[in-house]
Amino acid sequence: EVVMTQSPATLSVSPGERATLSCRASQSIFTYLAWYQQKPGQAPRLLIYGASTRATGTPARFSGSGSGTEFTLTITSLQSEDFAVYYCQQYNDWPPLLTFGGGTKVEIK
Amino acid sequence: QVTLKESGPTLVEPTQTLTLTCTLSGLSLSDVGVGVGWVRQPPGKALEWLGLVYWSGDTTYSPALKTRLTVTVDSSKTQVFLTMNNMDPADTATYYCAHRPDLASGVWVLDEWGQGILVTVSS
Repeated sequence: EVVMTQSPATLSVSPGERATLSCRASQSIFTYLAWYQQKPGQAPRLLIYGASTRATGTPARFSGSGSGTEFTLTITSLQSEDFAVYYCQQYNDWPPLLTFGGGTKVEIK
Repeated sequence: QVTLKESGPTLVEPTQTLTLTCTLSGLSLSDVGVGVGWVRQPPGKALEWLGLVYWSGDTTYSPALKTRLTVTVDSSKTQVFLTMNNMDPADTATYYCAHRPDLASGVWVLDEWGQGILVTVSS
C-alpha cells in the first residue's frame, strides 16, 4: 500500500507571497498524483491531476510538478481565498486504489 | 451539471451497520468511464478514501477497511450505497461521495463532491 506524506503540516505565508507544498510517496507513483483544496466546512475541490495538469477552473497561480516519489504544489502570489488545507492523493492505474496524504494547512502569516 | 448528495442516519450505535445513499444528478453509472467514490473525514482530521464503484459495476476498497465495506448501485444507476458494518466511535466522520470523471484512462480523481454527511457513532 502506498503511503503519502505531506510537509509541512502547517505553512504560514503572507498574502502575495509564494507557497510551496510537498508530497512524498512511499514508492514510485509515476505522475499518478492529484491535489485538492479544502476550506472549512466545505468539501474538497480538485485542483491538479496527473501531477501537473490543472483541473477545469483552477487558476494559473496553482502549479504542480514532480514524478516518481516527490511532488510539489506551488501557489504563486497567494490570494485571501487560497488559505485552506491542501491534500495530495495518489491513484493506481488498475485496479484503482486511492490514498490521501495528511494535508498541509496554509495559514495567514 | 453534475451533483451528488449523501443521505442516511446521522447517529448510529456501536456494532451497528451504517448504510449511506449517494443520489446522483446529471450523471449515471451507465456512462462508460464514470465512477463514484466514497471518502470520509473524522472531525479535524485528514481525508480517507473508502471505496469506489465504476461503470462496469466493479468495486475497489481501501485495504484497511475492505472487510467492513460494501458499495452497491441501484438498478437505475443513479443511486450508490455505502454499507459499513461493525461501526465504532472511531468511525465518527463526515462521509462524502464524489464523482470520478472520465478525464483519461488511468486517471482516478474525484472532481465533484457531495456536501457530506456527518455520522456520529455513539450509544
